[in-house]
Amino acid sequence: ETGVTQTPRHLVMGMTNKKSLKCEQHLGHNAMYWYKQSAKKPLELMFVYSLEERVENNSVPSRFSPECPNSSHLFLHLHTLQPEDSALYLCASSQGSGGGTDTQYFGPGTRLTVL
Amino acid sequence: QQQVKQSPQSLIVQKGGISIINCAYENTAFDYFPWYQQFPGKGPALLIAIRPDVSEKKEGRFTISFNKSAKQFSLHIMDSQPGDSATYFCAAIHSGTYKYIFGTGTRLKVLA
Repeated sequence: ETGVTQTPRHLVMGMTNKKSLKCEQHLGHNAMYWYKQSAKKPLELMFVYSLEERVENNSVPSRFSPECPNSSHLFLHLHTLQPEDSALYLCASSQGSGGGTDTQYFGPGTRLTVL
Repeated sequence: QQQVKQSPQSLIVQKGGISIINCAYENTAFDYFPWYQQFPGKGPALLIAIRPDVSEKKEGRFTISFNKSAKQFSLHIMDSQPGDSATYFCAAIHSGTYKYIFGTGTRLKVLA
């Protein structure tokens, strides 16, 4: 596997379920990101991790809980989601410490549907 | 102040034509302006980026024009090809921070 991979690619869950999204980067990068991409809306940065430390949390509801156990893996734990949380969730990584002008490499995303 | 307005929402261009997508920002603290290309089923990929100290940057068929006083920047795709059909996003970034603001995207279709 090369680049940034995300699993699962598609996920359907009920509002009371708990699920997790997984991201893995094979690029040796130091920073990882979670984004939310909704139709007709701008891409929204949710979380940034630099060297496994969370450095940004853009007022994301607590029903989204990120975890970065090492510099290659990033998880997004989901619980008691709402239908409006249905979106494409994108993971990205960058070589530097994150932020600014680092080139970010995106995974293909997980298409989440909340029923 | 944190918005980036992108237009048009969709664009259809004949093969060989010029595709032009425009973005406008409000916050003068932004100092890095990338464009991303996204194909269906894929994540966005960085296409080209510019800093406000230059008015134009060209990479192959892709050119960014930047107007600092108007707080506007645009992507020009010369000799557009069917393979360029994708969604394009502009962004404005305050470097040194994690403030990334994206446009809403332009869906480009290049007719063969």
